[in-house]
Amino acid sequence: AQSVTQLDSQVPVFEEAPVELRCNYSSSVSVYLFWYVQYPNQGLQLLLKYLSGSTLVKGINGFEAEFNKSQTSFHLRKPSVHISDTAEYFCAVQRGGYQKVTFGTGTKLQVIP
Amino acid sequence: EAGVAQSPRYKIIEKRQSVAFWCNPISGHATLYWYQQILGQGPKLLIQFQNNGVVDDSQLPKDRFSAERLKGVDSTLKIQPAKLEDSAVYLCASTRGGGGAAYEQYFGPGTRLTVT
Repeated sequence: AQSVTQLDSQVPVFEEAPVELRCNYSSSVSVYLFWYVQYPNQGLQLLLKYLSGSTLVKGINGFEAEFNKSQTSFHLRKPSVHISDTAEYFCAVQRGGYQKVTFGTGTKLQVIP
Repeated sequence: EAGVAQSPRYKIIEKRQSVAFWCNPISGHATLYWYQQILGQGPKLLIQFQNNGVVDDSQLPKDRFSAERLKGVDSTLKIQPAKLEDSAVYLCASTRGGGGAAYEQYFGPGTRLTVT
């Protein structure tokens, strides 16, 4: 079975500061990894995904994530956050060859002016 | 293209009543998901359809929840009777394919259910 752990439930950060949202997964086989963002009162929207190849993945809105197989991590980063980045971020894992996607519990990013 | 549509957006019912949610996926998307998102938690898969067949309903409380996808397009999720712990946002998502490939899921805005 696969699982996802997002250790930080809330992350406050000042505007224009860098941010890292942590995600660790567990799976004994190859996986696909995703980050989704959920703005208030909206559905989830894909930020980026890792399938294979380069371990550094770039997504929308200036976000990027790095896949680290040895540490089973897929942390999300942005060098300079904006007020509009205030939202909840979900890490998700899909076991290779299977359709089910498992979501983490989410991290609320609060950007402080 | 139009996104995933869901209705209603909000619903308040009393416990033991019944409720139904509707989802219209993106045109041509073969796979449809229903998730339950309880406050403070990530989305939990309730049921997954590929076309009009069920792929995974292992976490659907079948004694009270039911879902169908008629003609492989629209889907309805029903709860009967509702319990207090069913209060959550119910999200519908769709993808263009299936078979284990890593397709992006497109989510609707969700239906916020409050059971009193």
